[in-house]
Order: sequence, then structure tokens, then C-alpha cells
Amino acid sequence: AQKITQTQPGMFVQEKEAVTLDCTYDTSDQSYGLFWYKQPSSGEMIFLIYQGSYDEQNATEGRYSLNFQKARKSANLVISASQLGDSAMYFCAMREGRDSNYQLIWGAGTKLIIKP
Amino acid sequence: SQTIHQWPATLVQPVGSPLSLECTVEGTSNPNLYWYRQAAGRGLQLLFYSVGIGQISSEVPQNLSASRPQDRQFILSSKKLLLSDSGFYLCAWSLTSGHTDTQYFGPGTRLTVL
Repeated sequence: AQKITQTQPGMFVQEKEAVTLDCTYDTSDQSYGLFWYKQPSSGEMIFLIYQGSYDEQNATEGRYSLNFQKARKSANLVISASQLGDSAMYFCAMREGRDSNYQLIWGAGTKLIIKP
Repeated sequence: SQTIHQWPATLVQPVGSPLSLECTVEGTSNPNLYWYRQAAGRGLQLLFYSVGIGQISSEVPQNLSASRPQDRQFILSSKKLLLSDSGFYLCAWSLTSGHTDTQYFGPGTRLTVL
């Protein structure tokens, strides 16, 4: 079974609208972390936001927020007021436990295109 | 602040030739280091990770090897490249002492094997 599922292979969004990118995860660990990364066409993987399983509040970083619903095992990324520069691939990733030999489990990604 | 460098940025190599990709991190000590490969339009595949000098863990049996001769240097090598080694190679670092163990990535090397 997939540990990280990103169900949207691609999305088109109008500039200035809000965007929600879906991510569901599967783990039996109580302690885990969830990450979102952005990969523009240049290829560099850019860290956006982190949510720990014990964090009581949803993480926020500027225009990025993470809608963390623990019971549903979802960690959706919300981008407010989208910009043309937000066009990129977006990856959700998970670190299981504290002794997980540092591995991240990656989703397949969502390609986001912002239309002017 | 910490920075991570990778070189070369682009490489075209014939099948059967050797490979050496280098990654260096500045501004931190004793980082965890990682090599990933990304095929076109796909997610990331972890190849190797290292928690210290000379300590390498391999995640995928393959034609590649990794070495960590210095604390902040990580090298990906091959003695004989295969066509299937083509891809985008990303190096990353993290700190175990950090709360999140967030991995930070370098700019990547795009390898084409012909």
C-alpha cells in the first residue's frame, strides 16, 4: 500500500486564487513528521513547511499553511493568493518515528500550473 | 547560514564510463547526508545516506556507490555507467539534533547516459 498518496497529478489554478494540494498518508507510528517541498522547473527541491504529529496547531509559513487532519491522515498544503511563480511540482513526504534511519517517504507529486 | 553545493550541474556520459558526483555542505557540522535519484516526471528514490564520516547506508542495490571522505563531503560514484543510471541526482543534508530532521537539497546534477 502507498504510504504517501497525492491524488492530483496536475492542477490548473487562476492567479490570485487559493490552492489546496492533497496528501494522505499511512503509518502506524505515533510520532511522525510531514513535509511539503516545491520543485520548480530548475529542479531544486525547496522545503516549504513541516508538521509534526504531536503539533496541536496547523503549521503556517507565509502564504503556505498545512491543513493537518490527524484522524483522517491527511496533510493538505494550502497556498493562499497564488502567484505565477508558484507553478511547480509539489511533493508531500513523511518521516516515520524517531528511529526511522532518517528516511523520507515521498509521494508522486502534483504539478501545479498557475494561469495569468 | 548553511549552503549545499553540487557539481557538475549537467553531465553527459557514454555507457561504461565512470562517474563521480560531488556534494559539499557549508555552515554546519556532522550533518546527515543523502543521495537521491529522480527519474523524469517521478518522485525521489533514496540511494544512500550517511550519518558520519565513512558511514554509508545503501537503500537500493545498484551500479552506484557512495563515499564520505570528509564530514561535509559526499561523493556518488560508478565504475561503469548504465543507460538506466540517467536521471536527476539530488544531494541533501539534515541535522539529527534538529526538531524536524528537515532535509535541505542541493541544486542537483542532471545525468544523461548515452
